[in-house]
Amino acid sequence: NAGVTQTPKFQVLKTGQSMTLQCAQDMNHEYMSWYRQDPGMGLRLIHYSVGAGITDQGEVPNGYNVSRSTTEDFPLRLLSAAPSQTSVYFCASSYRLGSGQPQHFGDGTRLSIL
Amino acid sequence: AQKITQTQPGMFVQEKEAVTLDCTYDTSDPSYGLFWYKQPSSGEMIFLIYQGSYDQQNATEGRYSLNFQKARKSANLVISASQLGDSAMYFCAMKASGSRLTFGEGTQLTVNP
Repeated sequence: NAGVTQTPKFQVLKTGQSMTLQCAQDMNHEYMSWYRQDPGMGLRLIHYSVGAGITDQGEVPNGYNVSRSTTEDFPLRLLSAAPSQTSVYFCASSYRLGSGQPQHFGDGTRLSIL
Repeated sequence: AQKITQTQPGMFVQEKEAVTLDCTYDTSDPSYGLFWYKQPSSGEMIFLIYQGSYDQQNATEGRYSLNFQKARKSANLVISASQLGDSAMYFCAMKASGSRLTFGEGTQLTVNP
């Protein structure tokens, strides 16, 4: 009963490096999303997907790419890391969004950009 | 545009007392849903309770209840009989039109023994 699995849990990058944050869910959920959480703030939506092959931008998409080739996986790519992207990143999934369907969250990835 | 406002950055409550965490929202959509999540210091996000805009009754889940006042656009979380383990950050969130969930900035609740 894994739920939503995010890897890695911690990562330190240098400015300009690229990396991919992995997210996988085993609940056959249609909806998946990525958020970032900065200190003292709520979660802000980066990108989301309503199904395999379908993605869209959220509130703060700049500097990030996503793809959804399978129902299970929704990786988040940082193209050229910047210190402003230092944050905690959460992946979430739900069968659908709304209608009482809560999002299930991963444990988060703590990312530091030097 | 959708907006969630949580005006209490921090709240304190004595163990075994009830506490209300405020949440107001703004949307022009007639159909929407409101969620509350708990984030303990360990960092995970835990779903607590949901209220749909067309629900006739206020939602309840164990010690959690939602005081939904549609005309005032408020969806306050009430925690009864507070426990030390309730100390955490609490987030209100809304899903209106489209496929986005909008979060408030959160309220840090501290339960004192």
